[in-house]
Amino acid sequence: AQSVTQLDSQVPVFEEAPVELRCNYSSSVSVYLFWYVQYPNQGLQLLLKYLSGSTLVKGINGFEAEFNKSQTSFHLRKPSVHISDTAEYFCAVIKSGGYQKVTFGTGTKLQVIP
Amino acid sequence: EAGVAQSPRYKIIEKRQSVAFWCNPISGHATLYWYQQILGQGPKLLIQFQNNGVVDDSQLPKDRFSAERLKGVDSTLKIQPAKLEDSAVYLCASSKGSRANTGELFFGEGSRLTVL
Repeated sequence: AQSVTQLDSQVPVFEEAPVELRCNYSSSVSVYLFWYVQYPNQGLQLLLKYLSGSTLVKGINGFEAEFNKSQTSFHLRKPSVHISDTAEYFCAVIKSGGYQKVTFGTGTKLQVIP
Repeated sequence: EAGVAQSPRYKIIEKRQSVAFWCNPISGHATLYWYQQILGQGPKLLIQFQNNGVVDDSQLPKDRFSAERLKGVDSTLKIQPAKLEDSAVYLCASSKGSRANTGELFFGEGSRLTVL
């Protein structure tokens, strides 16, 4: 079965500074990878996804992520964060093809400091 | 396009009482999921429906939790009797759900349960 590890439970960063949120996955088969964002008291919203093709994926709100198969990573980056980016970010994985279960990581809380 | 609707948003009950949560997925979405999100943790899949059928309920505590999806549309998740450790946010999500499932889920705002 596939799994996801988010090593950082909290990441404080100053406004306009760059940020990287780390995600590593484990799977013996091809996977699709996702980043979801959860604002306070809201459900999760898709930020970006990697299905195939270019390993650099761009998402909403200026975020991007790079799929690295050799390192089994899918780190999320933003060159300059805003206060409004304060939220919890979840990495998720699904085995490609068929009716598969989506597995989420434990989440990383991004706190943007003014 | 209307999103995933859930109710109630908040519920407080005492242990051993029962509670039910309702979810209406996005129109046309064949797959419906119920996730449990305990504070500080990622969402954990409780049950996944494909139309009327159950695809995965391996992590559903079947002695106290039950779920159904009527006519392949709305779904209800019930807990009876509730325990303190059931305090969590219950998230409903839906997806188009096909053989080429890309795993993009659309979530509702969640139902926050507090068990006292």
